[in-house]
Amino acid sequence: KAGVTQTPRYLIKTRGQQVTLSCSPISGHRSVSWYQQTPGQGLQFLFEYFSETQRNKGNFPGRFSGRQFSNSRSEMNVSTLELGDSALYLCASSAWTSGSDTQYFGPGTRLTVL
Amino acid sequence: KNEVEQSPQNLTAQEGEFITINCSYSVGISALHWLQQHPGGGIVSLFMLSSGKKKHGRLIATINIQEKHSSLHITASHPRDSAVYICAVRPNTGNQFYFGTGTSLTVIP
Repeated sequence: KAGVTQTPRYLIKTRGQQVTLSCSPISGHRSVSWYQQTPGQGLQFLFEYFSETQRNKGNFPGRFSGRQFSNSRSEMNVSTLELGDSALYLCASSAWTSGSDTQYFGPGTRLTVL
Repeated sequence: KNEVEQSPQNLTAQEGEFITINCSYSVGISALHWLQQHPGGGIVSLFMLSSGKKKHGRLIATINIQEKHSSLHITASHPRDSAVYICAVRPNTGNQFYFGTGTSLTVIP
């Protein structure tokens, strides 16, 4: 089975621009979660989608949004980029079956905001 | 306030040493995860625990629900174990994860 894929792997944007990141989960996985990782804050939860519905959202401003498509692929969007949005954005998928929500992580998208 | 605390932050060990990384949390949880992150960013899920103990190769993870504490042990450590180890908890309420700040492990040959 192919693993979780994320595109693009690297991205450079300037302040004020917007960006869309993509995540393709492992085949059969219906849950996709997004995380932001920075040296100062570590890993932080952004949001989680299951069957096209947002199940939970972390403490991030409304500039951060996401969606999930019927094939479980997910996108996250950040509008009006700020310097502090520079981070590694990770997505993870899980089968979300009873008793197991092991997360399988993608390689991440490294976003640099100049 | 951090819901998850890890110790130590940094750890250097000689090859072959027994290593323990600790994780304490303050919320009721449905599961605790141990993650491994190698340089370059890739994260691998090592264990998911809701009670007791799990073993995989040289890695052992334990959890004490009453004390809200988990440990990750590495026996006969090897330089390839060098990575950041992150503890994450899934609370009973809500569906998000809370993460520890990670323990950076370096194993010297």
